[in-house]
Amino acid sequence: QVQLVQSRAEIAKPGSSVKVSCRVSGTIYSIYSLNWVRQAPGQRLEWLGGIIPRTGEVDYAQNLQGRVTITADDSTATAYMEIVGLRSDDSAIYFCAKSGMLMRVFEIWGQGSLVSVSS
Amino acid sequence: EIVLTQSPGTLSLSPGERATLSCRASQSVGANYLAWHQQKPGQAPRLLIQGASTRATGVPDRFSGSGSGTDFTLTISRLEPEDFAVYYCQQYASSPYTFGQGTKVEIK
Repeated sequence: QVQLVQSRAEIAKPGSSVKVSCRVSGTIYSIYSLNWVRQAPGQRLEWLGGIIPRTGEVDYAQNLQGRVTITADDSTATAYMEIVGLRSDDSAIYFCAKSGMLMRVFEIWGQGSLVSVSS
Repeated sequence: EIVLTQSPGTLSLSPGERATLSCRASQSVGANYLAWHQQKPGQAPRLLIQGASTRATGVPDRFSGSGSGTDFTLTISRLEPEDFAVYYCQQYASSPYTFGQGTKVEIK
């Protein structure tokens, strides 16, 4: 059974950066995408971007205005999401979610990583 | 960007009752590229429905999805205690992939 295992919670200061990881536990035989979705208090779920680990192809939502970078290491089946220039409104739970390569149906979700931005 | 609007915001029902949740898109989501997710407190979302009406593996048949174009519905035929949660619709017709604001189904 495939699971997504994310890194632990982080506390970061405004203006700094944070990098969250997501490891695939189990074997996925098809080409897939790992996506990042965040959930801020009182806000709707927000897709940030996704990467196809096999090819390295990545796409982003425009909402974070270039502050987010998504990478992956296919050999370890791990994806990473880094946000720079952190602001208080970046405080949220960050989920990774597996989808198909083309159809971004979020079939499997990680447990979430809480990022708190505070001085 | 496709904006999804869910209604109602909160649904207060008793176990055994029928729940009807609505999701409206600001523009057509093509060949029904719409999914529904369930989220319980302190947990990650869980995929229930994709393609507007296809249940994900292991999802009970009391959950059903319908609709096309811009108007979609999630129906829970008879609420079980474990169904009280927040439900989100999500479109995957075009990037950015967006979610509705959620409908909370609470115990009356």
